[in-house]
Amino acid sequence: QITLKESGPTLVKPTQTLTLTCTFSGFSLDTSGVGVGWIRQPPGKALEWLALIYWNDDKRYSPSLKSRLTITKDTSKNQVVLTVTNMDPVDTATYYCAHRPHCDSADCYGPYFDYWGQGTLVSVSS
Amino acid sequence: QSVLTQPPSASGTPGQRVTISCSGSSSNIGSNFVYWYQQLPGTAPKLLIYRNDQRPSGVPDRFSASKSGTSASLAISGLRSEDEADYYCAGWDDSLSGVIFGGGAKLTVL
Repeated sequence: QITLKESGPTLVKPTQTLTLTCTFSGFSLDTSGVGVGWIRQPPGKALEWLALIYWNDDKRYSPSLKSRLTITKDTSKNQVVLTVTNMDPVDTATYYCAHRPHCDSADCYGPYFDYWGQGTLVSVSS
Repeated sequence: QSVLTQPPSASGTPGQRVTISCSGSSSNIGSNFVYWYQQLPGTAPKLLIYRNDQRPSGVPDRFSASKSGTSASLAISGLRSEDEADYYCAGWDDSLSGVIFGGGAKLTVL
């Protein structure tokens, strides 16, 4: 079965760079059409999409955060890494990674996430 | 302010049918698929509906969704206490070139 798990620091200081790793099993990012996305949720607030990477290394970023985000994949390790630069207290949130099962001509970039990790809470404070 | 507008709350009694709306525009709902997620307290979101009205395997048929023009709605029939959760609509926005989520609707089962 498909599982995903986020890992990384629980606390970062303002201006630091956050690096989060999503380690997954049950699928391969070598498989055509498959993708992995990152979504975050500040405490008590709504979900916010961050980034998406596909089997072919196509990458999509949130327009509002694009300058601060980098998403990469390591297919051999079954991992996807998200870096967020210049962290600020407003970036305090639970960060989730999720599996995107399918990409076709009808829809390749929509928020089609069928399996999610448990999430990891990242706090930003000095 | 979310690009997709949802009512902040909804409620119903056990057995009732409730609907949650999601209002967008021509650049998102009007031209792309809508997705719905259920988030139970303290848990990760769960995909409830994909591609406007498709249910993943394992999602009860009490949950249904539709889309018309630039709006979409999620309907839950035979309401149960375990349906108490936050519900999010989501989609792709062509103008923003990104995924957008609604602000979420908190469903209370009275």
